[in-house]
Amino acid sequence: DAKTTQPPSMDCAEGRAANLPCNHSTISGNEYVYWYRQIHSQGPQYIIHGLKNNETNEMASLIITEDRKSSTLILPHATLRDTAVYYCIGLSPLGGYQKVTFGIGTKLQVIP
Amino acid sequence: DAGITQSPRHKVTETGTPVTLRCHQTENHRYMYWYRQDPGHGLRLIHYSYGVKDTDKGEVSDGYSVSRSKTEDFLLTLESATSSQTSVYFCAISDGLRGNEKLFFGSGTQLSVL
Repeated sequence: DAKTTQPPSMDCAEGRAANLPCNHSTISGNEYVYWYRQIHSQGPQYIIHGLKNNETNEMASLIITEDRKSSTLILPHATLRDTAVYYCIGLSPLGGYQKVTFGIGTKLQVIP
Repeated sequence: DAGITQSPRHKVTETGTPVTLRCHQTENHRYMYWYRQDPGHGLRLIHYSYGVKDTDKGEVSDGYSVSRSKTEDFLLTLESATSSQTSVYFCAISDGLRGNEKLFFGSGTQLSVL
């Protein structure tokens, strides 16, 4: 599964869009990009995933570059409750989560 | 929210004692995982299961064993707890549907080994 690289921390003003980048230059053609977040000491929570096309759900949008070497998670109107650690991972349909390494993610601080 | 229950939520034990953590799911998912989370290390996979009685090692399996005798239960045992096993332990489940496989996590168990 692809190794991903994320900035360790970011700040975002409340009400503004939070754009969280992820580099996954080694991603293979069948690997999906998944995003999870972990609020304080809770268990991580699924946000969104995609393969090639941009995706949107009620929580966020995912923009994947055409070459698939990077992606951006967008929280359109960040709130204080979005303060969390965000994890970007690459998941192969053949491998499953047992092959996945969760790094330290990006700690997003939403500022009032 | 996915039906995952971890017990106990908090545990304090002494070095050298055995400890068992339990993960119970009501989703009938095939895959179950045990992770530990420590500052600066993110989530690290200890063991996982891909069916009843089918388990395998993860990245940091030394000092841990697991058992899965029923679909809904996945037990993590520390045979002889050490201070280095002080951590937050998360159980997770997935249905194994490739291409749309979401991981659902429990609330965690805070384990302190003194």
